[in-house]
Amino acid sequence: EIVLTQSPGTLSLSPGERATLSCRASQSVSSTYLTWYQQKPGQAPRLLIYGASSRATGIPDRFSGSGSGTDFTLTISRLEPEDFAVYYCQQYGSSPPYPFGQGTKLEIK
Amino acid sequence: QVQLQESGPGLVKPSETLSLTCTVSGGSISSHYWSWIRQPPGKGLEWIGNIFHSGSTNYNPSLKSRVTISVDTSKNQFSLKLSSVTAADTAMYYCARTYYYFDYWGQGTLVTVSS
Repeated sequence: EIVLTQSPGTLSLSPGERATLSCRASQSVSSTYLTWYQQKPGQAPRLLIYGASSRATGIPDRFSGSGSGTDFTLTISRLEPEDFAVYYCQQYGSSPPYPFGQGTKLEIK
Repeated sequence: QVQLQESGPGLVKPSETLSLTCTVSGGSISSHYWSWIRQPPGKGLEWIGNIFHSGSTNYNPSLKSRVTISVDTSKNQFSLKLSSVTAADTAMYYCARTYYYFDYWGQGTLVTVSS
């Protein structure tokens, strides 16, 4: 069973700064099946990035995803106030379960 | 625009069965897989299982013995049953349309397990 480990657990940054969030898999995963979600308090998660690097519909281009194998990264180039949230990576493999990482909380410094 | 809405009791007694329904609007349930995902208060996300319109299912092995997911294509709905619940099953339960990612989510429904 694949385990996804996100780091850091909490990231404190200011608006306008660059955010780099990491997701590491316990074994190699296909980039096709690596996804990032954003969750704000009281809301359902929102699809951000699928296929490791493809932005979902309506997602601003300040969000980008990269990586392969076991190491994946979500980058937010210039933080906007609305970007402060919890971010999850998730892997959808050939067989269940389809795990999520434990999340990275991006908070305002 | 596809929309999903969870419904069901917000309070379930320990050892009983949790039952939720997800109603899909703005699109047909007869395409894609459809998943249930849960999130305990203050914690992360856990995929529970999914179903195709044909009735084919996949379950999280950690919950498989207690989970049943079914579909009613005539009503554009799919449902979750989780048996023998304990306080550890207290969570926000989400339904979501599934490709190899979850692109449309319901708003979630909080289910509390308590006597």
